[in-house]
Amino acid sequence: GGIITQTPKFLIGQEGQKLTLKCQQNFNHDTMYWYRQDSGKGLRLIYYSITENDLQKGDLSEGYDASREKKSSFSLTVTSAQKNEMAVFLCASSIDKSGNTLYFGEGSRLIVV
Amino acid sequence: GDSVTQTEGQVTVSESKSLIINCTYSATSIGYPNLFWYVRYPGEGLQLLLKVITAGQKGSSRGFEATYNKEATSFHLQKASVQESDSAVYYCARDSNYQLIWGSGTKLIIKP
Repeated sequence: GGIITQTPKFLIGQEGQKLTLKCQQNFNHDTMYWYRQDSGKGLRLIYYSITENDLQKGDLSEGYDASREKKSSFSLTVTSAQKNEMAVFLCASSIDKSGNTLYFGEGSRLIVV
Repeated sequence: GDSVTQTEGQVTVSESKSLIINCTYSATSIGYPNLFWYVRYPGEGLQLLLKVITAGQKGSSRGFEATYNKEATSFHLQKASVQESDSAVYYCARDSNYQLIWGSGTKLIIKP
């Protein structure tokens, strides 16, 4: 089996700061995703990538940048952290983009002070 | 746009009793979506519980079942007899344009 590792587990930053979350997968999957989950709500897609150096915007991409420089890693940058976007960020991967099973990391919690 | 609705944020069931967690999905897109149930156990990442890609079919896993009902646009999750180890948050999802649309999740609490 494989694993998805998200770092850090907790990311604390100041309002207006640029903050980056990292995700690594060893499944050798083509597609990777970043989701945001606010308390008591469903997951919302921020960015996804179907291969190395590809980036596709999800419904929630404004205020975020992403980077897929290697097949195994996918990073997400909050360009200017705001207190109303404290949430859990979930990274996932799948074999391809056709809606196959997603494998998730444990999540990274963003705290803005 | 496409949507998934889980009406209960939390469900409490006594051990060994039956469970149903409701899920309905929008049918605004052309064709029939693939439907999924994901689960997050305490301290673990979200993982696939079951999926059904054909309307009218039933999926099952770990004692849970869900039937793809295209007439009612529902995909309710059921289990005949719950155990303490089923305590988790359950998410219903449908696919839409190469992404998943998620329900808000239902936390299952098991009473001893």
